Amino acid sequence: GIQVEQSPPDLILQEGANSTLRCNFSDSVNNLQWFHQNPWGQLINLFYIPSGTKQNGRLSATTVATERYSLLYISSSQTTDSGVYFCAVSMEYGNKLVFGAGTILRVKS
Amino acid sequence: SQTIHQWPATLVQPVGSPLSLECTVEGTSNPNLYWYRQAAGRGLQLLFYSVGIGQISSEVPQNLSASRPQDRQFILSSKKLLLSDSGFYLCATGTSGGSSYNEQFFGPGTRLTVL
Repeated sequence: GIQVEQSPPDLILQEGANSTLRCNFSDSVNNLQWFHQNPWGQLINLFYIPSGTKQNGRLSATTVATERYSLLYISSSQTTDSGVYFCAVSMEYGNKLVFGAGTILRVKS
Repeated sequence: SQTIHQWPATLVQPVGSPLSLECTVEGTSNPNLYWYRQAAGRGLQLLFYSVGIGQISSEVPQNLSASRPQDRQFILSSKKLLLSDSGFYLCATGTSGGSSYNEQFFGPGTRLTVL
């Protein structure tokens, strides 16, 4: 099956710093999503981005489908950005998501 | 917009006891429904998915089963829980049919501890 690798596994930032999270996948996909899991476990949708670039406030994401990777940019990080960031992909319209292991982000004030 | 309800929010059960987790969805019709499990930290694993009433596909052989008795209701069950069934269970919805738009949304989850 498709493999999803996220890097880095852990990241510690000072408040106000910028960061880039990476997601590599091993096959062509027709769905790619970025999620933020908050301390209560809720998965919050950040981006639905099978290709192209999107921005939402301090967050932006780029997926280069032909090269099988996606990047999540966080600018001017805040303590509320802390949590786990997941990338998930699907190869088929049944949309069975395969998740990466996640990146644990800690933003210090 | 759609809303996903899951209950209970937390559950502590003894080994060998039965299990029933419920997921209901509002604000959409004929959705694809999914059960995922997150064990001890990271990584979600797909357990079951359903494209319609009574239609269940299992992704991982295990001690669990799923049912979809109504269009917007998805139930996860077990006859006898194992210690390894402990985890965080999330229900999700997605667009059905041949739509090219496939964004998936998740419920708040049920945290299950088997003792």
